[in-house]
Amino acid sequence: AAGVIQSPRHLIKEKRETATLKCYPIPRHDTVYWYQQGPGQDPQFLISFYEKMQSDKGSIPDRFSAQQFSDYHSELNMSSLELGDSALYFCASSSLFWIANTEAFFGQGTRLTVV
Amino acid sequence: DQQVKQNSPSLSVQEGRISILNCDYTNSMFDYFLWYKKYPAEGPTFLISISSIKDKNEDGRFTVFLNKSAKHLSLHIVPSQPGDSAVYFCAARVQGGSEKLVFGKGTKLTVNP
Repeated sequence: AAGVIQSPRHLIKEKRETATLKCYPIPRHDTVYWYQQGPGQDPQFLISFYEKMQSDKGSIPDRFSAQQFSDYHSELNMSSLELGDSALYFCASSSLFWIANTEAFFGQGTRLTVV
Repeated sequence: DQQVKQNSPSLSVQEGRISILNCDYTNSMFDYFLWYKKYPAEGPTFLISISSIKDKNEDGRFTVFLNKSAKHLSLHIVPSQPGDSAVYFCAARVQGGSEKLVFGKGTKLTVNP
């Protein structure tokens, strides 16, 4: 079965550079979530989209932005990167999660290292 | 303010025995709880869930118990297998249309052969 695809799997950037992470949800899933997991930390919710509209926002820095496209894939854009942005970034997708009790499926994550 | 708490960072059990992973929460608006298993360098994998209208949900070797009055849930794995060794995250969803998941910090389970 198709899963959530994230690209790239690994990314190394220098401080003050820009990074773009991509997420391709499971087919027919309409909701995408982004989470950030720092070393030894629990996953922290960043932002979510439903039907291409931002549906919820968590602890996402102003330097980050995201969007969901017409094919439901999502991109997380991170500018002016800081060393503290080094983390695992997970994308998850679901369908009607808040209406039906279904689970969110996670991708394998993108490991971003800022040097 | 940690709304979902997993107070045991690690747990070690013998193969064949029961593993019990605990999770406490503070937000009474949570209406749906999930357990995810995570291996190193991989994304969290959904394991089992429970709605707040239930107190138990079972799926094979995995059972989740919910005690709403105590704001406590637990995951039981019986019998434990070495392949169960992973980090287990408890997650909760807030009632009322906010679909984001709030995660605990995780418990690293090690099942020894």
